[in-house]
Amino acid sequence: DVVMTQSPLSLPVTLGQPASFSCRSSQSLVYSDGNTHLNWFQQRPGQSPRRLIYKVSNRDSGVPDRFSGSGSGTDFTLKISRVEAEDVGVYYCMQGLQTPLTFGGGTRVEIK
Amino acid sequence: EVQLVESGGGLVQPGKSLKLSCAASGFTFSGSALHWVRQTPGKGLEWLGHIRNKANNHTTGYLASVKGRFTISRDDSERKAFLQMDRLKAEDTAIYYCTLGWFDHWGQGILVTVSS
Repeated sequence: DVVMTQSPLSLPVTLGQPASFSCRSSQSLVYSDGNTHLNWFQQRPGQSPRRLIYKVSNRDSGVPDRFSGSGSGTDFTLKISRVEAEDVGVYYCMQGLQTPLTFGGGTRVEIK
Repeated sequence: EVQLVESGGGLVQPGKSLKLSCAASGFTFSGSALHWVRQTPGKGLEWLGHIRNKANNHTTGYLASVKGRFTISRDDSERKAFLQMDRLKAEDTAIYYCTLGWFDHWGQGILVTVSS
């Protein structure tokens, strides 16, 4: 199984400041068609997960452009350029390359 | 608007069965794959399995630890997907979500508690 490792576990941030968190996979997520199947999800308190980013860097409809995804192979990053109060929650990465599909343990974003 | 609504959760005794439903609207259900994912405080988000669309013969895939106990099915005419859970254990206690094939839409989740 592909193991997804996220860091840090928790990230206290100041409103208006940037935030960045990491996701690493135990093997390359590049598929034979050249696509890299790495998604990012946001889960606000009391809500279902919501996909923010697919295939490493593609923002979903309605996702603010302060969110950006980058990376390749086995190392990926989600960045928030300026954190807002509504960004509080847990962020998960997930690999969609092979079953069983697997999620990282999440990074909790909280406001200082 | 895409909507996925889970139902059928609740309290169940260890060893018993429970069947969850996921009612869908707002998209071409028959053309979509669906997944079931659960969430526990201890293990986070855990993919349980999927069912592909009719064009892919409704094939299914499962997490090894639930294969043989959990069965995913669908009824395209009713626009529903199902998760049949047998021989339930305390560690199956979780919030269960259905999601669309690319995880771009999720249901609100349904709580299943396995306890005597």
